[in-house]
Amino acid sequence: GESVGLHLPTLSVQEGDNSIINCAYSNSASDYFIWYKQESGKGPQFIIDIRSNMDKRQGQRVTVLLNKTVKHLSLQIAATQPGDSAVYFCAENSGGSNYKLTFGKGTLLTVNP
Amino acid sequence: SQTIHQWPATLVQPVGSPLSLECTVEGTSNPNLYWYRQAAGRGLQLLFYSVGIGQISSEVPQNLSASRPQDRQFILSSKKLLLSDSGFYLCAWSVLDREQYFGPGTRLTVT
Repeated sequence: GESVGLHLPTLSVQEGDNSIINCAYSNSASDYFIWYKQESGKGPQFIIDIRSNMDKRQGQRVTVLLNKTVKHLSLQIAATQPGDSAVYFCAENSGGSNYKLTFGKGTLLTVNP
Repeated sequence: SQTIHQWPATLVQPVGSPLSLECTVEGTSNPNLYWYRQAAGRGLQLLFYSVGIGQISSEVPQNLSASRPQDRQFILSSKKLLLSDSGFYLCAWSVLDREQYFGPGTRLTVT
């Protein structure tokens, strides 16, 4: 799931399989991370977030893992469904009074029935 | 609950024409507001953000401008559009440094 060049990295899975989408973040000072899901023609939708004092957080069918040592974030989707097909973005916030998020380039997840 | 609106949903404008995109938020007070642009198949580029009425921070030099005339209203404008201004424009809101919530977006095509 790393971003390379101008093309979105893609991940294709079978319905029912688990999906893992990866993201490398850039700022070691970032203390808050978010995963978004964007369906075609729509705005990004919040999925799950995690603060830097945690290394794992679970939601409904989703788990986010944070490895601060290597500045790596992953999103795991259990029992992937066709409705999970979308572009997934990670975002980081470097904290302080700066309320901006820096977004990764995204990964296109395709779920095959 | 909070809701964010953007309009218009789609827009086709000739080069050199003006632009005004509007974003409004309901159900929250004093939100941070953001304008992003997304080119086809690409990530989100932050254009402007605002932490209060009349307070606008610009992230990239361009022929676009933003204004926040009211607490929950954010406007993106241009006096003369360029072909390169085409894209998907997204408005978002947040409270402090928490997650941002996005609107449905405006698809702008400059011809």
